[in-house]
Amino acid sequence: QQQVKQSPQSLIVQKGGISIINCAYENTAFDYFPWYQQFPGKGPALLIAIRPDVSEKKEGRFTISFNKSAKQFSLHIMDSQPGDSATYFCAASIFNAGGTSYGKLTFGQGTILTVHP
Amino acid sequence: DVKVTQSSRYLVKRTGEKVFLECVQDMDHENMFWYRQDPGLGLRLIYFSYDVKMKEKGDIPEGYSVSREKKERFSLILESASTNQTSMYLCASSSPGHFNYGYTFGSGTRLTVV
Repeated sequence: QQQVKQSPQSLIVQKGGISIINCAYENTAFDYFPWYQQFPGKGPALLIAIRPDVSEKKEGRFTISFNKSAKQFSLHIMDSQPGDSATYFCAASIFNAGGTSYGKLTFGQGTILTVHP
Repeated sequence: DVKVTQSSRYLVKRTGEKVFLECVQDMDHENMFWYRQDPGLGLRLIYFSYDVKMKEKGDIPEGYSVSREKKERFSLILESASTNQTSMYLCASSSPGHFNYGYTFGSGTRLTVV
């Protein structure tokens, strides 16, 4: 059961272009939506995260857009650079839940981004 | 620099062998996780632990077990390795409530079962 669906599976963008990766979730209890970036040979690393009380969060060239009613969120990379070439994962969790969730993340399938110079 | 260290980068094991994957973190984190990463499937949670000697099943626990005898160490055990367990295995740790810090992942162990 895939609770977080990510698209596209791969993406090729020219340097300076905008990269857009989309995710959709099913569990309305999710209240924490991070994006992770993974370079070859490395583990994923937290890139940016959003809570559902805001519709957008921006950090430098990276922006998360969040649509609670549609249960969708997306990552926008402005002015994409070759150094942004990596695999990107969206994820979701129930951050504030008590009990046994402990913030465990459910990940999307991943998007391989290639930025051509 | 905080770290999650996985003991092996690459492993090749034979079908039916018992396999141990070790993970150590130096951040005094309460939570530790084991994921496997497969192309097109993303990261899938195998087991996690929120305290010493405590463990909970994730989404795909079949064929795996875990051990957490010390806070800093979380081991994944393949009781009888099979070829469908060939994968990249990622260990991660986190501290409850640290929203902005997220998970810290190790670099992964690529396991091949032949």
